[in-house]
Amino acid sequence: GQQLNQSPQSMFIQEGEDVSMNCTSSSIFNTWLWYKQEPGEGPVLLIALYKAGELTSNGRLTAQFGITRKDSFLNISASIPSDVGIYFCAGHRIYNQGGKLIFGQGTELSVKP
Amino acid sequence: EAGVTQSPTHLIKTRGQQATLRCSPISGHTSVYWYQQALGLGLQFLLWYDEGEERNRGNFPPRFSGRQFPNYSSELNVNALELEDSALYLCASSFGTAYLGEKLFFGSGTQLSVL
Repeated sequence: GQQLNQSPQSMFIQEGEDVSMNCTSSSIFNTWLWYKQEPGEGPVLLIALYKAGELTSNGRLTAQFGITRKDSFLNISASIPSDVGIYFCAGHRIYNQGGKLIFGQGTELSVKP
Repeated sequence: EAGVTQSPTHLIKTRGQQATLRCSPISGHTSVYWYQQALGLGLQFLLWYDEGEERNRGNFPPRFSGRQFPNYSSELNVNALELEDSALYLCASSFGTAYLGEKLFFGSGTQLSVL
């Protein structure tokens, strides 16, 4: 089953607002990835993080790899309607997971114009 | 450069039938992964193929199987379909193995409906 706790499950915000979502685990991860999925499509990679403490930006998106290696967050600044979708965190654990990328349950983002 | 391609886009089957889903990875990628995404749920790991071999499988029954061909494309077969197999099946590929932290790139999926 899932080993990543992602929150919040859903968010309803006004265009222009900033968004923050996070992912936590009881286990240590050595890689964190953030994906966005739109209806009828597969997840699209947004940001990849490889080192504890790493802070990476991609346009209006910023993500950080937690110092404890057990968490990560994603921020979206000045949201726009096209930010709508489901955002997933995903990670690889330190010890052998046989190629398995573990996913959070997703955060569904709705943006009101 | 073409991304991960999956076919068919939609597949409708009845209980007890078999379904075959296909995936072509990004050129140069050798690892292929299959995930199941049931409605409203996250992505559940199904299978990982690398260099033609099955390297790992998730917590799914043996009815779910697949293979990887010499050109690195892959097939997912689901036998004796059950209603709860209805889901979006996503294929992803990576240049190396996900275990080493390689990024996974996903296709648009095959929506399987079992009636």
